[in-house]
Formats: sequence, structure tokens, C-alpha cells
Amino acid sequence: EVQLVQSGAEVRKPGESLKISCKASGYTFASYWIGWVRQLPGKGLEWMAIINPHDSDTRINPSLRGQVTISADKSISTAYLQWSSLKTSDTAMYYCARPETNTAMARYWGQGALVTVSS
Amino acid sequence: EVVLTQSPATLSLSPGERATLSCRASQSFSTYLAWFQQKPGQAPRLLIYDVSNRATGIPARFSGSGSGTDFTLTISSLEPEDFAVYYCLQRTSWPWTFGQGTRVEIK
Repeated sequence: EVQLVQSGAEVRKPGESLKISCKASGYTFASYWIGWVRQLPGKGLEWMAIINPHDSDTRINPSLRGQVTISADKSISTAYLQWSSLKTSDTAMYYCARPETNTAMARYWGQGALVTVSS
Repeated sequence: EVVLTQSPATLSLSPGERATLSCRASQSFSTYLAWFQQKPGQAPRLLIYDVSNRATGIPARFSGSGSGTDFTLTISSLEPEDFAVYYCLQRTSWPWTFGQGTRVEIK
């Protein structure tokens, strides 16, 4: 059974750094892209970034370039999303998801991690 | 960037009624469109992929259609558990983009 299990809720102050994780199981991690989707409070969905764990090829949404880093450690089947300097506007729910290749299918999602940035 | 515009923003219907949700794209494409359902406090759930294919376990009352710039999600007869927010997603070009969502609420 494919599962994506995310790290827990986080509270940080503006300017602090943060790394959240998404641990995959039930499939060969390096064989599928994995990505992160953001949902601002009470708002819609935004696909932020994707990474191919096999070769670390990445795509970052141009609207977020320079603001976040996506990475993956295939030895422990885990993907990460990282900020070096958080802003209050980063407060959101973050989901990891596994997009299939050559199709619009994205059936597997993590449970979500709420990140709150407040002074 | 492909912009997806969903309409209406809110659909007020009664159980048993038919729901028709629209997703219009700023550029024409043919295949890589999906529909998701999201309920409060839950992750999005894939309903339809590649315009018209139902995901595993999705009831037959959900169907997708369309091509070019106009795509539709139809729920043939609303069940109580179908009242939720629905999003379309295009994966034809990066960045992948979602529509802003349609809320289906109980009338």
C-alpha cells in the first residue's frame, strides 16, 4: 500500500528556517516524481515544486523561485521542503503528493502539515 | 502559465440534483486535466484524470468531459457526501496549475 506520511505541524517566527518531510512507503521511491502543494488559509491549491528522487531533477514554480528548496533522500525514501527565512505569508497547509508520469493522475497524497509563521 | 478559471464559484443544490462544474483554460490542451474533491481538514482526493478517466474507487456518478479550453465535471445525482470543494488541475505544462475551486453546497 502506497503511503506518504508527513512530519507534524510547525510554529516558527519570521526569519527562522524550517525543513518539513514526507516519508514514502509501499513503492520504489526513486521511480516516481514527488512534489509539494500549498494551501493558504481558506484558499485554493498551488503546486509548488516537484523532484525526481532518481537524479534530483527539480522543477520549482516560478512564483516561488528562490523562496523554497525541494530535496529528496532516496536512501530513506523521504522528500523535503525547506525554507531558509520564513515569512508570515508562508503560513499554510503543505501537502506532499506523488504525480504519475505522462498522465494527470496524482492519486497519493500526504496528510498535510500546517506551518504557522508568527511573531 | 496556463490559467484555469472555474465556474461557478459556488453551486447550491439539493441531494439528488445534477451538478455541472466548469473549468476553462487560458490555452488549449487535450489530455492532462484532473479533478479533485476536497473536504474540510482533508487532503485533496483524485476523482478524474486525463479529462474523463475515473480514479480507482470513484463512483460512476462522477464523470469528466471536454477538450481544448473547456472541461466539465458532472455529478449525475448528488449524494450527501458530495458536498465539498472541487478543483481542476492541468499538468500539460509547468507550472502545473489548479483552478480556484467550486464549492458545492447544500441548498
